[in-house]
Amino acid sequence: GENVEQHPSTLSVQEGDSAVIKCTYSDSASNYFPWYKQELGKGPQLIIDIRSNVGEKKDQRIAVTLNKTAKHFSLHITETQPEDSAVYFCAASREDMRFGAGTRLTVKP
Amino acid sequence: DGGITQSPKYLFRKEGQNVTLSCEQNLNHDAMYWYRQDPGQGLRLIYYSQIVNDFQKGDIAEGYSVSREKKESFPLTVTSAQKNPTAFYLCASSIAGGPSYNEQFFGPGTRLTVL
Repeated sequence: GENVEQHPSTLSVQEGDSAVIKCTYSDSASNYFPWYKQELGKGPQLIIDIRSNVGEKKDQRIAVTLNKTAKHFSLHITETQPEDSAVYFCAASREDMRFGAGTRLTVKP
Repeated sequence: DGGITQSPKYLFRKEGQNVTLSCEQNLNHDAMYWYRQDPGQGLRLIYYSQIVNDFQKGDIAEGYSVSREKKESFPLTVTSAQKNPTAFYLCASSIAGGPSYNEQFFGPGTRLTVL
């Protein structure tokens, strides 16, 4: 089955800097790659997703890139703000959805 | 307001007792899911249901049971057979089909503590 690895587990940046979180997956047939943001004590919320027929997708300060050959995808957050502080999860999906272990992002003002 | 509700937010039970967690959605979604979240780990799938009166086991179904008698509702029972039930439980739903390829909408979660 699919296995998703996510790095780093924790990430601390200064406000205004960029943050990058990387995930690798094992099943080359996976075709959907969402990213979720989870604030403390709440359920995860989708922030951006990408399908396997696209290499990059951007939504304001957030972008995701997908390298199908290398089987990895990344989340890029530019001009970080304190409210970006949360736990971020990547996932890869074909028959079922598998989640990475999460990255705790802290943005220092 | 459309969305997924889970109740209660916090739940305490004594060891050996069964407990049922509620999940309701008014998004008219066909598929619903239950995940377990432990500190420092990703979400692990317990059960999912693609249609009323049908459900399938996920990766960690042992010690849990579900029912799907109505489209809107997917309750999860944590039985006394679950060896380590203390965790944060998340319910989700998606428009149709299995877990793949569709955005999943999550509820706020229930934190279960077994004393």
